[in-house]
Parts: sequence; structure tokens; C-alpha cells
Amino acid sequence: DTAVSQTPKYLVTQMGNDKSIKCEQNLGHDTMYWYKQDSKKFLKIMFSYNNKELIINETVPNRFSPKSPDKAHLNLHINSLELGDSAVYFCASSQDTAHEQFFGPGTRLTVL
Amino acid sequence: AQSVAQPEDQVNVAEGNPLTVKCTYSVSGNPYLFWYVQYPNRGLQFLLKYITGDNLVKGSYGFEAEFNKSQTSFHLKKPSALVSDSALYFCAVRDRSGTYKYIFGTGTRLKVLA
Repeated sequence: DTAVSQTPKYLVTQMGNDKSIKCEQNLGHDTMYWYKQDSKKFLKIMFSYNNKELIINETVPNRFSPKSPDKAHLNLHINSLELGDSAVYFCASSQDTAHEQFFGPGTRLTVL
Repeated sequence: AQSVAQPEDQVNVAEGNPLTVKCTYSVSGNPYLFWYVQYPNRGLQFLLKYITGDNLVKGSYGFEAEFNKSQTSFHLKKPSALVSDSALYFCAVRDRSGTYKYIFGTGTRLKVLA
């Protein structure tokens, strides 16, 4: 069983579209994260939820909006996609805010 | 402000030789420190962490790391490198305050040559 899963694995779309990426963890963890990894492999945290409460909200465009319907899910919705949004987006979870994180396989987003 | 530095973009080592991947950090107080590995087209995998206690931490796949408070370093080591260790390695730090924020280093590509 996959511990942290993301869908879709690949997402190719046109500029201006709206898209969502879904993340689910079956580890019973309290904390979930979204990261963006650019083409140079730099990893930047975007958001984090702990027990469904937003605790990290980094400086990202407000076109990006996270939603956590329950502790096991953290989705990322992106409005009005731009070329610069092309990247690999990783979801992760951890037991709490101090423990190691378990990463999903990533979603490669390509904006044309 | 918190920061993590991985000074080497790439480290090359011959199979069977010891390897070191360097990490230094800047954070107020005592940090939580982590190492992760990323294989091509995969998510990051946790290797080891330092929370408290013994400065030498042992982790997965024979890796270890030493927390050095005076030098603010947390270098990753392995006594004998394998070709299969070739991957991208990330150091990460989190302070113990209430900011919850993890900072990842820029990554070091390890290449083990047969």
C-alpha cells in the first residue's frame, strides 16, 4: 500500500487553466505539506497543515490554494496557470511538526 | 533567519571508498536536522535525523551523520560507497520554535563510480 499518494502523476495543461492535484496519506499522520521542486531541483515549501489547520503559508501567489477536507487529505488548487508554475509538486506527511516527512511520488506539472 | 548550505553541487567517489556529503546550517537554538535522498523521478526518502542525544546518528542503508554544534554542521557519511548510492541528497533543518518551517538545502548530487 502506498503511504503517500498523489494524483495525477503528470499534468499537462494550457496557460490560464485551473487545475487541482490531490494528495492522500494512509499513515495516520497529523501534518501534511506541499512542496514545489523546480528544474534545478530546488525544493521549496509552500503550505503545511496540522490537524487540518493551516500552519505554514509561504509567499506563493494567491492563485495557489490548499484545501484539507480531513487529516488524510491535502489538495492543491491552482488558478490561472502560468508558464512559471511548471515544476514537480510534492506532497508529504509527518507524524507531527517535528518528525521526519514521508513524500509522495510527485506530480509533474507542465504549463504550455 | 534559518538557512541550510550544501556547499557542493556534486560529489564523485569511487565505489568502496568512504563518502561525505556536507551540510552546514544557521538556526537559532538547537535544531532538528534531517537527511533525505531522492532517486530520479521519485519523491524524497528519509535517511536519518538528529533530534537530541548522541551526536553520531545512524540511518538507513549504512549512512550516518555527525551533529557538530560548534561547527553548525551535520555531514552525511558512509564508510563504503555503492554505485546504487548515486542520487540527490538533501539536508533539512527545522528550529524548535513555533514556526514549524522546514528549510531544505539545495541538494548535492552524489555519483559513485564503479
